[in-house]
Amino acid sequence: AQSVAQPEDQVNVAEGNPLTVKCTYSVSGNPYLFWYVQYPNRGLQFLLKYITGDNLVKGSYGFEAEFNKSQTSFHLKKPSALVSDSALYFCAVSPNAGKSTFGDGTTLTVKP
Amino acid sequence: DTGVSQDPRHKITKRGQNVTFRCDPISEHNRLYWYRQTLGQGPEFLTYFQNEAQLEKSRLLSDRFSAERPKGSFSTLEIQRTEQGDSAMYLCASSSRDLNSPLHFGNGTRLTVT
Repeated sequence: AQSVAQPEDQVNVAEGNPLTVKCTYSVSGNPYLFWYVQYPNRGLQFLLKYITGDNLVKGSYGFEAEFNKSQTSFHLKKPSALVSDSALYFCAVSPNAGKSTFGDGTTLTVKP
Repeated sequence: DTGVSQDPRHKITKRGQNVTFRCDPISEHNRLYWYRQTLGQGPEFLTYFQNEAQLEKSRLLSDRFSAERPKGSFSTLEIQRTEQGDSAMYLCASSSRDLNSPLHFGNGTRLTVT
């Protein structure tokens, strides 16, 4: 069975500072890893994915994520946070083309 | 790409009633998924279709839940004899046939069972 853990319910950063949202996973075989963002009253939106290859993946809105196989982690990062980045972020793992398993989400708050 | 649309946006029903939700996926996507999300939790997988075939259904899904995708296009999710514990946001998503294709979500249907 696959699982995802997002150890922080809430992350607070000041605008302009770097941000990290943590994610660890457990899956049999090679994982497909995803980050999604959810703004209030909106559906989840895809940010980026890791399939294979480079351990640093770049995605939408300046976000990137670092895949670490030995630590089974896929942390979301951004060098300089914006107030508009404030949202709920979900990490997800999928072992194949079927279902994705999501973490419980991390609320990111960026303060001016 | 008109996105995934779900109808209705909100549904309030009394316990014991049946409800049906509709999802229209992105037209060229052949995979369609249903998830349920409650406050403070991530989306929980319910079931998914490839074209009209229902390929997987969560073991946690009660027999009161049924989903169809009769022509491989839109899908419906029906909940019979609703219970208060069914109150949640029901999310539909679609994706292409590529193994690494991300999910495209609709805005969800919020169900409140009174």
